[in-house]
Amino acid sequence: DAGITQSPRHKVTETGTPVTLRCHQTENHRYMYWYRQDPGHGLRLIHYSYGVKDTDKGEVSDGYSVSRSKTEDFLLTLESATSSQTSVYFCAISGRPNRTTMNTEAFFGQGTRLTVV
Amino acid sequence: EDKVVQSPLSLVVHEGDTVTLNCSYEVTNFRSLLWYKQEKKAPTFLFMLTSSGIEKKSGRLSSILDKKELFSILNITATQTGDSAIYLCAVNYGGTSYGKLTFGQGTILTVHP
Repeated sequence: DAGITQSPRHKVTETGTPVTLRCHQTENHRYMYWYRQDPGHGLRLIHYSYGVKDTDKGEVSDGYSVSRSKTEDFLLTLESATSSQTSVYFCAISGRPNRTTMNTEAFFGQGTRLTVV
Repeated sequence: EDKVVQSPLSLVVHEGDTVTLNCSYEVTNFRSLLWYKQEKKAPTFLFMLTSSGIEKKSGRLSSILDKKELFSILNITATQTGDSAIYLCAVNYGGTSYGKLTFGQGTILTVHP
């Protein structure tokens, strides 16, 4: 466990409602990522952050927004949940504070299973 | 378009067999390639490769990177049922001081007793 906590771990929500998932780290890593995992697709990058208030889109960002107001928290918001957003969501962190290189491994949270009905 | 492709997508073997998993990539400003193992929950880190031709080894697992041909392989010798998992390849790439981390589809490995 690399000090990453995702909440909630499970959620069922209705179509059209907003949903926010939280990723909290205690490791002071610089980079944070949100992925979704679906059968046959591996892990697909939704958004990532390279610092406080610095974020960028990944390959499947439509319908999602993120915010990072402090180093330890990275929030993923589904603005209006749809059934296609039913998935397992993983948060990851990388870039340990005592390393000057970006080439460090990423550590993953335990995942959030989201069901949109 | 940047992409990472793994093959095969699934593989079924018997204990004791040796397997080779493949990962090819096409990205801009390559930084590193990482291998992960995923069982029931979160992916766990196996290897990170940055230089061509240098083998990384951990027990029965080994991996090597070819930056000229843009691929990596992960070998598992004398497979055991505990090796059954999804194996994920990821590439760290991008400009400036940060990089995206993009994954392939994964290879589902099943090892039968």
